Amino acid sequence: DGGITQSPKYLFRKEGQNVTLSCEQNLNHDAMYWYRQDPGQGLRLIYYSQIVNDFQKGDIAEGYSVSREKKESFPLTVTSAQKNPTAFYLCASSGQFNQPQHFGDGTRLSIL
Amino acid sequence: KQEVTQIPAALSVPEGENLVLNCSFTDSAIYNLQWFRQDPGKGLTSLLLIQSSQREQTSGRLNASLDKSSGRSTLYIAASQPGDSATYLCAVRPDGATNKLIFGTGTLLAVQP
Repeated sequence: DGGITQSPKYLFRKEGQNVTLSCEQNLNHDAMYWYRQDPGQGLRLIYYSQIVNDFQKGDIAEGYSVSREKKESFPLTVTSAQKNPTAFYLCASSGQFNQPQHFGDGTRLSIL
Repeated sequence: KQEVTQIPAALSVPEGENLVLNCSFTDSAIYNLQWFRQDPGKGLTSLLLIQSSQREQTSGRLNASLDKSSGRSTLYIAASQPGDSATYLCAVRPDGATNKLIFGTGTLLAVQP
């Protein structure tokens, strides 16, 4: 079945620790995206990548980093510089142009 | 800067009722608009996508309309069912160069049996 897999479903971070959220897709999509969702707010774009080995900052990139070494993978690292990381993180992918974005089931990150 | 607003934030209706969810955006220069559904603790499922040149799209009991000049879109749900209970989000794509989306804050819908 084609889709997007995010892991883990739940993640806990200690103070000063970097954590990495995984996102894998088997839809053969060129573009991938990371969003953050907080209660009462819409999704906000962290980073996006339109092709392998290229990515762009979104609206709230500070404290986050990404890589795009393979077409199917777009991991997100939440660094210790991100002072308020508790949120629901969603990964998405899309083909080019007018294709809608497909979403994974999310990772919920909390602080210990 | 494009801003997307959804009103109401929450809505409760009895089963079988027809209902309308609203989405407004501040900049009428959009490429397309998309409606999503989100179940609790889950990702988003795309419901309908309307291109900027279109006025409406339909899928089953769902009908989405777009009025670019007034910066508004509506999602009409006919004969609502308890299974329709979810958060509904609209998102605009500002331009055709990238597939970046700007999301509204969503409307939480509860359909009472």
